[in-house]
Amino acid sequence: DTAVSQTPKYLVTQMGNDKSIKCEQNLGHDTMYWYKQDSKKFLKIMFSYNNKELIINETVPNRFSPKSPDKAHLNLHINSLELGDSAVYFCASSQPRTAMNTEAFFGQGTRLTVV
Amino acid sequence: EDKVVQSPLSLVVHEGDTVTLNCSYEVTNFRSLLWYKQEKKAPTFLFMLTSSGIEKKSGRLSSILDKKELFSILNITATQTGDSAVYLCGAGWYSGAGSYQLTFGKGTKLSVIP
Repeated sequence: DTAVSQTPKYLVTQMGNDKSIKCEQNLGHDTMYWYKQDSKKFLKIMFSYNNKELIINETVPNRFSPKSPDKAHLNLHINSLELGDSAVYFCASSQPRTAMNTEAFFGQGTRLTVV
Repeated sequence: EDKVVQSPLSLVVHEGDTVTLNCSYEVTNFRSLLWYKQEKKAPTFLFMLTSSGIEKKSGRLSSILDKKELFSILNITATQTGDSAVYLCGAGWYSGAGSYQLTFGKGTKLSVIP
């Protein structure tokens, strides 16, 4: 079973559209993340979320919004897509509040192309 | 400002060479330092470091953390072409609101040529 799964893997869409990327983790982790990776491979945090708190990177446009229906899911909604939104988006999860630190587990990424 | 800084940003070596990748961090409420290797798709976990001076090893890769000087290094000995990848360093820390954050550097792109 895949620990962190994202769908779709590829997404091509026109400017101005609204799209969603789904993420699910079956690890029982409390914390999930969304990262944006640009063409230069810089992995930039967008959101971190646990079942109590959403932390938003202040540089993220408000066109991006995370939605968490339950602890195992953190979906990413993007409104009014722009060309600059083209990137690979990674979902990840971790469980930092246990006695043993755990690393973050990443999904396979969603390559978003806005045309 | 950058909280995690990696150097060099890119590196080209020949097979058999030894390389050292650097990572410095500046975060409050530091919890752990993580190294990942990213080839074509998702980053894959290499090491997690929480204590100073204790080397972690996995085959030809090793890493150590210095919490006083706020840096970590990743060593790869006898490099192979399969080591070609982007190596990401991330710092785990707690924000002022008590939420766990994981911030990455820009990565070091390693290219190993035959």
